[in-house]
Amino acid sequence: DTAVSQTPKYLVTQMGNDKSIKCEQNLGHDTMYWYKQDSKKFLKIMFSYNNKELIINETVPNRFSPKSPDKAHLNLHINSLELGDSAVYFCASSRSVESAGELFFGEGSRLTVL
Amino acid sequence: DAKTTQPTSMDCAEGRAANLPCNHSTISGNEYVYWYRQIHSQGPQYIIHGLKNNETNEMASLIITEDRKSSTLILPHATLRDTAVYYCIVRDTGFQKLVFGTGTRLLVSP
Repeated sequence: DTAVSQTPKYLVTQMGNDKSIKCEQNLGHDTMYWYKQDSKKFLKIMFSYNNKELIINETVPNRFSPKSPDKAHLNLHINSLELGDSAVYFCASSRSVESAGELFFGEGSRLTVL
Repeated sequence: DAKTTQPTSMDCAEGRAANLPCNHSTISGNEYVYWYRQIHSQGPQYIIHGLKNNETNEMASLIITEDRKSSTLILPHATLRDTAVYYCIVRDTGFQKLVFGTGTRLLVSP
């Protein structure tokens, strides 16, 4: 029973397309995150939501739009995909904002833009 | 920006203890030390964290020096499955996010 699950696991698409990645957690956590890991393996936070409310937006291009329909779900929609968007995107959750040090990560969604 | 310094890579023989050092000389009183690892092609995994006392759980032990300027993560009996990148992270309790550095690539060999 996966705690944090992401779909799809792999995504290959053309430049200019729009795509979405979905994330669900069944841990009952209040806070969810999107991290991006690029080809050099740097792991950087993009967004964080607490109880469906955006609390962190790390100067990510506005082509990236997160949405949290409820506190168990955090989706990431990307418009007009660019080559530089190719990366592994990780969803994570924590019990609360105060527990942001103890993250539970999903397995990642590998996005390849051609 | 990451506030920690870790060796780029380390080797360890299977069955031996793996001692991974981390320098955090600018750590402040409210900041905890967290350790995560990332096995190839998987999401990062929380290992342990501490403030000033040494901590132990089923995965590892964390030894923090008295001045809190450095710490060591100990995997007492490393296995091949412990091969991963290990991240040492310093975080203030009021800080809403975790900032990952470049970590130490640990290779456990037979």
